[in-house]
Amino acid sequence: DSGVTQTPKHLITATGQRVTLRCSPRSGDLSVYWYQQSLDQGLQFLIQYYNGEERAKGNILERFSAQQFPDLHSELNLSSLELGDSALYFCASSQRWGQETQYFGPGTRLLVL
Amino acid sequence: EDKVVQSPLSLVVHEGDTVTLNCSYEVTNFRSLLWYKQEKKAPTFLFMLTSSGIEKKSGRLSSILDKKELSSILNITATQTGDSAIYLCAVIHIIQGAQKLVFGQGTRLTINP
Repeated sequence: DSGVTQTPKHLITATGQRVTLRCSPRSGDLSVYWYQQSLDQGLQFLIQYYNGEERAKGNILERFSAQQFPDLHSELNLSSLELGDSALYFCASSQRWGQETQYFGPGTRLLVL
Repeated sequence: EDKVVQSPLSLVVHEGDTVTLNCSYEVTNFRSLLWYKQEKKAPTFLFMLTSSGIEKKSGRLSSILDKKELSSILNITATQTGDSAIYLCAVIHIIQGAQKLVFGQGTRLTINP
């Protein structure tokens, strides 16, 4: 158990809908990272927040957005969902940013029908 | 374009064999290289390498970074069936003051009894 929690574990929804994925980092960690893992694309970095501020952006679509709240939990919002958004979404956390090791949560499996 | 390439993509060996997994990278402003093991769930952290030539060891696993060759290897000795997993290599680098993490495609290791 990495200490990072994610909810929900599984989510099934329809195309065009909007969902919110939630992540609570390890106690004391200030950085939160979001990743998408699909069968054909492997693990892709989406976005990073550090102490409430966006720090880095990866391959995140404009239909996706995220934020980190004052209590350091983070939410990833996915809107206008498409079939291709079906994937495993991981959250990871680290103490700071730079050369810090990241610890992954169990992931949220999203299925868009 | 920043990239991380792992080889081989897939490897099948017998229990007790020794394996070497490779990771090479081409990124700007390299900071660290990470190795993860992913079974049927989230990646779990194995090693973080920042300095060239210093071997990190954990039980039967060891890894070393060669900054001159822009590569790293992960060795597993006396393999066991429980070592079967996807091994991911990731590189942390800095772009415009922000950390980015780029993953390789992974090596799928299968250990047969």
